[in-house]
Amino acid sequence: DGGITQSPKYLFRKEGQNVTLSCEQNLNHDAMYWYRQDPGQGLRLIYYSQIVNDFQKGDIAEGYSVSREKKESFPLTVTSAQKNPTAFYLCASSIWNLNTEAFFGQGTRLTVV
Amino acid sequence: DQQVKQNSPSLSVQEGRISILNCDYTNSMFDYFLWYKKYPAEGPTFLISISSIKDKNEDGRFTVFLNKSAKHLSLHIVPSQPGDSAVYFCAASPPNSGTSYGKLTFGQGTILTVHP
Repeated sequence: DGGITQSPKYLFRKEGQNVTLSCEQNLNHDAMYWYRQDPGQGLRLIYYSQIVNDFQKGDIAEGYSVSREKKESFPLTVTSAQKNPTAFYLCASSIWNLNTEAFFGQGTRLTVV
Repeated sequence: DQQVKQNSPSLSVQEGRISILNCDYTNSMFDYFLWYKKYPAEGPTFLISISSIKDKNEDGRFTVFLNKSAKHLSLHIVPSQPGDSAVYFCAASPPNSGTSYGKLTFGQGTILTVHP
């Protein structure tokens, strides 16, 4: 079945450590996105990538980094520079340059301890 | 600045009745709007969308209305069912030009509870 897979579902990190969240899709979508959700807030865009080896900052990119070496994969690294990393992280993908829905993964809950 | 707003944090409806979820936006460049449904600890799932060239789109029990002059859209669910209980997000997308690439701006979400 086609879809987006995020792993792990739950992740705990010690303060000051970097951590990488995985996102893989087999929908053959060109565009991929990372969003963050905090309680009582909507989803906010962290980074997005239109094509392989290219990505752009979203609204809240500070403290995060991404790579897009393969079409299917768009990992997100939460660095120690991110001041409030505890959140629910969602990866999505969509067809490029066409107004159509984005498909979301199941999310990763990151907790800094 | 919140470009997409859902001013009602929650809505409670009786089963069988109509649920109306509202969304306002400020950016006139948005030209495509979507509604997503989300359960706790899961990713959002797409419900229905509407292009700015239309004022209504219907899909089964779900209808989205768009009022461009008021920069307002609404989602109607008729009849409401207990399984509809979830958080509903509206989202907007600017035209796919420049660096837009179809990225979405989301509202804060409205928690819908449908009582049996």
